[in-house]
Amino acid sequence: DQQVKQNSPSLSVQEGRISILNCDYTNSMFDYFLWYKKYPAEGPTFLISISSIKDKNEDGRFTVFLNKSAKHLSLHIVPSQPGDSAVYFCAADFGNEKLTFGTGTRLTIIP
Amino acid sequence: NAGVTQTPKFQVLKTGQSMTLQCAQDMNHEYMSWYRQDPGMGLRLIHYSVGAGITDQGEVPNGYNVSRSTTEDFPLRLLSAAPSQTSVYFCASVGAGGGYTFGSGTRLTVV
Repeated sequence: DQQVKQNSPSLSVQEGRISILNCDYTNSMFDYFLWYKKYPAEGPTFLISISSIKDKNEDGRFTVFLNKSAKHLSLHIVPSQPGDSAVYFCAADFGNEKLTFGTGTRLTIIP
Repeated sequence: NAGVTQTPKFQVLKTGQSMTLQCAQDMNHEYMSWYRQDPGMGLRLIHYSVGAGITDQGEVPNGYNVSRSTTEDFPLRLLSAAPSQTSVYFCASVGAGGGYTFGSGTRLTVV
């Protein structure tokens, strides 16, 4: 029973364009959402987060949108750069520090 | 400052062998956890600890033991390795505010 789902296993985007990564969740008790980025042979690193009391959080080229009614969040990267090529995981939290991760989306930025 | 250190980086075991995956953090974090990453499955929580002397099971605990005798160390033990335990293992520690720091991972193959 996957509570956090990333339905696109892979995504290719032209350099300079917008990358949009999507994530859906089923448990309405989640109150904090995070995105992690992972390069090969490295551990995931924190990218950006959003509390359930907000619908948008921005950090430079990265923006996360949360639609609570649809139980959906998305990560926008604009403009996309070659260094953004990685696997992106969304994760959700009840506030008890136990993260539930999605299955990941491999983003490839095409030069 | 090292953050979260995992050893070894790679390991090959025969079915039935035992081993311990080491994890150490130097950030004085109380909360530590172990995840495994498998293709198409994302990161799944194996065991976690909210402080020295306290451990609990995550989503996929079977076949693994943990202990937390100090704040710094959180080893993961495989008692009798099985091919189903072939995976990449990540240790994480969580700081104030819920920020996760992951180690660089241990790639385990059980033959």
